[in-house]
Amino acid sequence: GQQLNQSPQSMFIQEGEDVSMNCTSSSIFNTWLWYKQDPGEGPVLLIALYKAGELTSNGRLTAQFGITRKDSFLNISASIPSDVGIYFCAGQLTGNQFYFGTGTSLTVIP
Amino acid sequence: DAGITQSPRHKVTETGTPVTLRCHQTENHRYMYWYRQDPGHGLRLIHYSYGVKDTDKGEVSDGYSVSRSKTEDFLLTLESATSSQTSVYFCAISERAGRSEDTFGSGTRLTVV
Repeated sequence: GQQLNQSPQSMFIQEGEDVSMNCTSSSIFNTWLWYKQDPGEGPVLLIALYKAGELTSNGRLTAQFGITRKDSFLNISASIPSDVGIYFCAGQLTGNQFYFGTGTSLTVIP
Repeated sequence: DAGITQSPRHKVTETGTPVTLRCHQTENHRYMYWYRQDPGHGLRLIHYSYGVKDTDKGEVSDGYSVSRSKTEDFLLTLESATSSQTSVYFCAISERAGRSEDTFGSGTRLTVV
């Protein structure tokens, strides 16, 4: 299957710091999605990107669809304790299939 | 999520037994998906449905079958459970294909012993 390389694997940051994570692939994707997952729950969609170069914000979150269509980035500004969780990227090649990254575990230290 | 329910939430079963997981939605969405989530692999698509009685295979479909006889229900069956199928299974629903409206259920934790 498709491999999405998500990095970093885990992050430990102080409350108030900014966070950056990214996702790369050897394939060209048509759509990039970013999800957050809390323990014991399913992923929740944060941001969706549909065009190369697109930059989209959702509150303190900003994500970008890379120009090459092989990567995407998620930034979280001024982190707060409730940002703790696992963040997943997902990319769509064609049709109905999305491929997920392996996740970035975020810990925010108050 | 309020519009999507998975059952059971937890199950322990023995190797070789059949197991059926249920996903029920109240959103009347056309598309339904089954994923499994394992450490180091993220979520991987097992099967999906694009309408009643219309299903297709995903990335990791071997050993699994699905059925959708009603819009609101999508069943995932492990025909003969193996230890490698120990995982957390998530159902997702979507109104349109290839867009971002996917809503995920809370998951079913399946342990095959």
